[in-house]
Amino acid sequence: DAGVIQSPRHEVTEMGQEVTLRCKPISGHDYLFWYRQTMMRGLELLIYFNNNVPIDDSGMPEDRFSAKMPNASFSTLKIQPSEPRDSAVYFCASSFYQIGYTFGSGTRLTVV
Amino acid sequence: GIQVEQSPPDLILQEGANSTLRCNFSDSVNNLQWFHQNPWGQLINLFYIPSGTKQNGRLSATTVATERYSLLYISSSQTTDSGVYFCAAHQGGKLIFGQGTELSVKP
Repeated sequence: DAGVIQSPRHEVTEMGQEVTLRCKPISGHDYLFWYRQTMMRGLELLIYFNNNVPIDDSGMPEDRFSAKMPNASFSTLKIQPSEPRDSAVYFCASSFYQIGYTFGSGTRLTVV
Repeated sequence: GIQVEQSPPDLILQEGANSTLRCNFSDSVNNLQWFHQNPWGQLINLFYIPSGTKQNGRLSATTVATERYSLLYISSSQTTDSGVYFCAAHQGGKLIFGQGTELSVKP
């Protein structure tokens, strides 16, 4: 298996623009997670899905953030409009029945 | 929610030395994982360890769930072991991370 695949690897955008991050989980995994990593706050859980259904989005910072999982092999995290404080590394992870999480390589987002 | 605390926050070792990293968690957890974040930012799964002891080469981990802690042992450290080590506790579907231990192994 190719592991969890995230795209793009790097994204630089201007404040106010829409940003879409993409994730392909490991085939057969039924859980998908979006995390954000910053120096100040460490690794924070934003939202997670079980069988494509959002279960807990309490970590989503504000209404500018949204996440979807239209099918078992694809998820998106969207920020609209983006702000400089959104700059961070965003990770996607997947697991089977919450046993052992596998992380993607992350997307480094810079909002200028 | 659950609190996950790691110690020490940072550690400098000479190549060949051994070390022990500790992870305490504040509540009962379904499971525990250790990760290594390498200098390129990748998060690599080291151990999935709800209880007991596991070994993988020079690394081993022990979790004592009843006392709410886990230990990661690194023996004969190498420069490639440098990076940040995270423990993460599973609770109610969530994986909650500690702040990490930053390890630097000097040649």
